[in-house]
Amino acid sequence: AQTVTQSQPEMSVQEAETVTLSCTYDTSESDYYLFWYKQPPSRQMILVIRQEAYKQQNATENRFSVNFQKAAKSFSLKISDSQLGDAAMYFCAYTVIQGAQKLVFGQGTRLTINP
Amino acid sequence: NAGVTQTPKFQVLKTGQSMTLQCAQDMNHEYMSWYRQDPGMGLRLIHYSVGAGITDQGEVPNGYNVSRSTTEDFPLRLLSAAPSQTSVYFCASSYSRGDIALANYGYTFGSGTRLTVV
Repeated sequence: AQTVTQSQPEMSVQEAETVTLSCTYDTSESDYYLFWYKQPPSRQMILVIRQEAYKQQNATENRFSVNFQKAAKSFSLKISDSQLGDAAMYFCAYTVIQGAQKLVFGQGTRLTINP
Repeated sequence: NAGVTQTPKFQVLKTGQSMTLQCAQDMNHEYMSWYRQDPGMGLRLIHYSVGAGITDQGEVPNGYNVSRSTTEDFPLRLLSAAPSQTSVYFCASSYSRGDIALANYGYTFGSGTRLTVV
């Protein structure tokens, strides 16, 4: 069974600094997608970034980037120049490409931004 | 605005009551799913559907029932509410082509329903 693990229940960072959130996953599949979702206090789930497993290049979206290590089954999220609006719960998620496209989520990391 | 609409946003039930959480999307997504979110456990899949007339169980299906009579709607029914079903429920949808996910389009989530069972 596929599992996703986020080992950091809480993280904090000073505004304008960089923070990295960790995620590891377990799968026997070779083709899959990985995602980071942000959940602010409004409860809305917002897609931050996604990575296709067959692409070696790490995905980047503005201040957000990932470090994807397929062999190690690791998918960390780096937030540069942290802003107060980045404060939220962050969830790592996984889905296979073939078959039923069920999202499997990690437990979440609560990120606090200190002004 | 196009998206996933969940109703109600909040609900309080008494133990043993039944109710239906509504989910509707207007993006012609074939794939729809229900998740529950509990502290420290992330989101867990309850049921999902890959098209009208097709549903399947997820990780935590007990106590819940679903049907998919149209592409747009995917209601979640609580048959006899229990305090253990106190949670935040999310509906999510995406494109699919048969059984192959078009994950490039991403998943669209509703705004969630906070359910309390007393």
